[in-house]
Amino acid sequence: EAQVTQNPRYLITVTGKKLTVTCSQNMNHEYMSWYRQDPGLGLRQIYYSMNVEVTDKGDVPEGYKVSRKEKRNFPLILESPSPNQTSLYFCASSSHGAPYEQYFGPGTRLTVT
Amino acid sequence: DQQVKQNSPSLSVQEGRISILNCDYTNSMFDYFLWYKKYPAEGPTFLISISSIKDKNEDGRFTVFLNKSAKHLSLHIVPSQPGDSAVYFCAASVGGTYKYIFGTGTRLKVLA
Repeated sequence: EAQVTQNPRYLITVTGKKLTVTCSQNMNHEYMSWYRQDPGLGLRQIYYSMNVEVTDKGDVPEGYKVSRKEKRNFPLILESPSPNQTSLYFCASSSHGAPYEQYFGPGTRLTVT
Repeated sequence: DQQVKQNSPSLSVQEGRISILNCDYTNSMFDYFLWYKKYPAEGPTFLISISSIKDKNEDGRFTVFLNKSAKHLSLHIVPSQPGDSAVYFCAASVGGTYKYIFGTGTRLKVLA
């Protein structure tokens, strides 16, 4: 089954404790992206990757890091999480960048206390 | 600066009637637009898209209209079904780039 998987699905952590949210896709897609969803703000793009070892910033990259060492994986790293990073995070992939539709993962709900 | 706006946070429609969801944008460089549907506890799923060279695209019960002069697009669902109850996001992009701008979403409730 073609899918995007994210782990963990739920995470509660404390300020400053480094964490990684993993994202994996099995569709051999070149393009992957991370979004956060917040009430009243919709989905905002954090980082995206056009292919292995090629990444770039989206609209809200501050406080996040990403890496793309393999085509299928695109982890999101929070080196020092803060409460304003409490959000619902989605990973997505597509066969290319715009204008192709993206396939989204199920989401990771992160709470930083 | 919200480049893609969905000014109606929610909409209720009777089953069988038409649902019209609206989206406005400010960036004239956008040339590709997409609609996604999102159920609770799931990721968004692609619904329908339109290129700026067209003014209409249909897929079954779903039709997207684009008015470039007004920088406005709308999604029509006819007939609406209870299973269509979800949050709908419009998104815009400049073709050939890798950035997407999403709206804030409209929650549609279809009443049986």
